[in-house]
Amino acid sequence: GIQVEQSPPDLILQEGANSTLRCNFSDSVNNLQWFHQNPWGQLINLFYIPSGTKQNGRLSATTVATERYSLLYISSSQTTDSGVYFCAVVGAAGNKLTFGGGTRVLVKP
Amino acid sequence: DADVTQTPRNRITKTGKRIMLECSQTKGHDRMYWYRQDPGLGLRLIYYSFDVKDINKGEISDGYSVSRQAQAKFSLSLESAIPNQTALYFCATNPGGSYGYTFGSGTRLTVV
Repeated sequence: GIQVEQSPPDLILQEGANSTLRCNFSDSVNNLQWFHQNPWGQLINLFYIPSGTKQNGRLSATTVATERYSLLYISSSQTTDSGVYFCAVVGAAGNKLTFGGGTRVLVKP
Repeated sequence: DADVTQTPRNRITKTGKRIMLECSQTKGHDRMYWYRQDPGLGLRLIYYSFDVKDINKGEISDGYSVSRQAQAKFSLSLESAIPNQTALYFCATNPGGSYGYTFGSGTRLTVV
């Protein structure tokens, strides 16, 4: 099945800093989503982005499908951005969402 | 009301007990999924259903069973719970194909 790798595994930021999270995948995809898991365990859907660029407030994402990667940008980070960020994909030959291992983000005040 | 509702939110049960986790959705989607998350890891697929008469095993189905009672309802059962099934369980739905998934808030299950 399709493989999804996220980097870095852990990230510590000072409040106000910018950061970039990366997601690499091993095959063509029909679906790519970014999620934020908050400290209470809830999964919040950030972006549905199988290709192209989207922005939502301080967050933006870019997927370059031909090169099999996606980037999540966090600008002017806040302590509420802390948590784990997951990238998940549905491969072109598959029909189920496969998750990466996540990037754990800690934003310090 | 939430699009995907999971009950219970938290549960502690004893080894050997049977337990059912329930999921209902108001999105009107045909496809529903159960995922499991262990501490520090991503989510892994347990079972999925593409319609009421279609049930499929995911990558970690051993020790679990499911029931699709209606388009909106998909239940996960642990027939005889064991401690290594302690995890966070998520239900999800999507309309199919390449469309986005919507997740419930999760059920935190502890088997002692």
